[in-house]
Amino acid sequence: SAVISQKPSRDICQRGTSLTIQCQVDSQVTMMFWYRQQPGQSLTLIATANQGSEATYESGFVIDKFPISRPNLTFSTLTVSNMSPEDSSIYLCSARTSGKNIQYFGAGTRLSVL
Amino acid sequence: GENVEQHPSTLSVQEGDSAVIKCTYSDSASNYFPWYKQELGKGPQLIIDIRSNVGEKKDQRIAVTLNKTAKHFSLHITETQPEDSAVYFCAPMTTDSWGKLQFGAGTQVVVTP
Repeated sequence: SAVISQKPSRDICQRGTSLTIQCQVDSQVTMMFWYRQQPGQSLTLIATANQGSEATYESGFVIDKFPISRPNLTFSTLTVSNMSPEDSSIYLCSARTSGKNIQYFGAGTRLSVL
Repeated sequence: GENVEQHPSTLSVQEGDSAVIKCTYSDSASNYFPWYKQELGKGPQLIIDIRSNVGEKKDQRIAVTLNKTAKHFSLHITETQPEDSAVYFCAPMTTDSWGKLQFGAGTQVVVTP
């Protein structure tokens, strides 16, 4: 199994500012993902974080708004840029290893934008 | 793309009774069928999964059944307990290099003592 740690666990931010969320996995994984979950809703995939190259974004999400880094096989960051109240949500990091379908999730970062 | 429907959206059961949640998907290429449980304030946790070459899998009080012809799979929880109260998500996927979980809308299960 893989244990995923996210920091911060929650934050309250002012509109127009940016927040970087960190994700650390306790073992090397092939794939890392970032999801957004509105309260009471399902999970929406933002992007796949690729090691050493640009992230692959899903429709409706762009790099300028959600820049992602993945410098190695165990760590990734998601930045929510130029925040507005509509960005208030839970952001979840997830990871899985090639050849194994099990996908693990962090506890999430609860973001409120005022 | 994959269209995933999950029913019911909410389910209230008496402790000790059984609960069944159904997930219908559209992509015939899907070959991996997991169920995730999300408790309040936590991330989703895999509770059981099944692959397309298997029709049923059981792990203590939970089981998953798959009907690949009809493109649906179901989560069964027997002898429900208050700690089973959570949101449950199905997330079918194709297990190729680019496979991504396609989450259903979720089912809020409430087990009342």
